[in-house]
Amino acid sequence: NAGVTQTPKFQVLKTGQSMTLQCAQDMNHNSMYWYRQDPGMGLRLIYYSASEGTTDKGEVPNGYNVSRLNKREFSLRLESAAPSQTSVYFCASRDSGGKAGELFFGEGSRLTVL
Amino acid sequence: GQSLEQPSEVTAVEGAIVQINCTYQTSGFYGLSWYQQHDGGAPTFLSYNALDGLEETGRFSSFLSRSDSYGYLLLQELQMKDSASYFCAPRGSTLGRLYFGRGTQLTVWP
Repeated sequence: NAGVTQTPKFQVLKTGQSMTLQCAQDMNHNSMYWYRQDPGMGLRLIYYSASEGTTDKGEVPNGYNVSRLNKREFSLRLESAAPSQTSVYFCASRDSGGKAGELFFGEGSRLTVL
Repeated sequence: GQSLEQPSEVTAVEGAIVQINCTYQTSGFYGLSWYQQHDGGAPTFLSYNALDGLEETGRFSSFLSRSDSYGYLLLQELQMKDSASYFCAPRGSTLGRLYFGRGTQLTVWP
């Protein structure tokens, strides 16, 4: 049982380049989330998707776009990367029938923007 | 808006008991979660309190007082492997949105 899988695990970009972080879950969860974690800042919500076909902004959505491709997959796109987007990105999912506060996280994608 | 306060660091010795406090302010509140994170790895769920009172799960317990906007995580019989960051995360909506604090770095000494 893979849980939440993120790709790539590591990526280095130059300022202005674009890229997409991929996330897939095999637990049949309805809700999916993208967080970023910076040193000393905890985890901040970028975007979330309560169900297939819906997406909403979180605390720090600027500079990002998301796509809920289907129930399994939720991707995060950086159209024009900036050094301020250097961070660790975590994807998470939630079972709407499970414990309300329980998120299942992927292992993270470590992005460096030069 | 949202605000969270938890201590940045806590240290304790093996076998001891430690309490990590969390005070929160959110525009909506449905419950309080706690997560553990080792060395920047995937955060893992520990507990969730929707109602006031104490929830016990093995060596870990979590408490919530909604009227005080306060909760704590209690770790008993500390082990070296408990050294990690611990995050409180209020649930601010029915859609499962969680807001994470900056976390508390727990160091357990032998």
